[in-house]
Amino acid sequence: GDSVTQTEGPVTLSEGTSLTVNCSYETKQYPTLFWYVQYPGEGPQLLFKVPKANEKGSSRGFEATYNKEATSFHLQKASVQESDSAVYYCALSDLTQGGSAKLIFGEGTKLTVSS
Amino acid sequence: DTTVKQNPRYKLARVGKPVNLICSQTMNHDTMYWYQKKPNQAPKLLLFYYDKILNREADTFEKFQSSRPNNSFCSLYIGSAGLEYSAMYLCASSRLGGPNYAEQFFGPGTRLTVL
Repeated sequence: GDSVTQTEGPVTLSEGTSLTVNCSYETKQYPTLFWYVQYPGEGPQLLFKVPKANEKGSSRGFEATYNKEATSFHLQKASVQESDSAVYYCALSDLTQGGSAKLIFGEGTKLTVSS
Repeated sequence: DTTVKQNPRYKLARVGKPVNLICSQTMNHDTMYWYQKKPNQAPKLLLFYYDKILNREADTFEKFQSSRPNNSFCSLYIGSAGLEYSAMYLCASSRLGGPNYAEQFFGPGTRLTVL
């Protein structure tokens, strides 16, 4: 079945340093790929999505490229801030027979940024 | 308003007793989902409603029930709670079609503890 594997956490960084969270996926379909972010006390919220291979998504300084050949979707940010502390989930959508998009998540990577 | 609400936020249940969790959304989304999240594991889809049609995942088919009395509300029902049901339960909703296809909006979750 479909699966998503991402960098095991937790990850601790100092403000101003760069971030890479690795994400690899397996599927026989042509999925849309997502990064979700979850702040303490809240549900996951969409950071950005990329529906097509070889395209890049970005938001709030984060970016990721849909690499179909490598089946990867790594999250990067050049300079993290304390406010980026959160759990980051990589996910892919699995279009069901009924047409409803089902999300398959990775385990999540907890990022803590210290000032 | 892109809010998904969940009640209660925390639930304590006894082994063998029933549990009912509630989710609501006012975005007129046609699909509502329930995920189970345990520590160090990926959120796992339990079931979803597309309009009035309930779809349950094969491996949790007998463990969870759900109802959707109207477009805005969806419940998750456990008939007899076991210790293994202790987890965070996340509700999400989405609308098929349009530019936000497959984007799911999540509630803050209900933390269920079974004793």
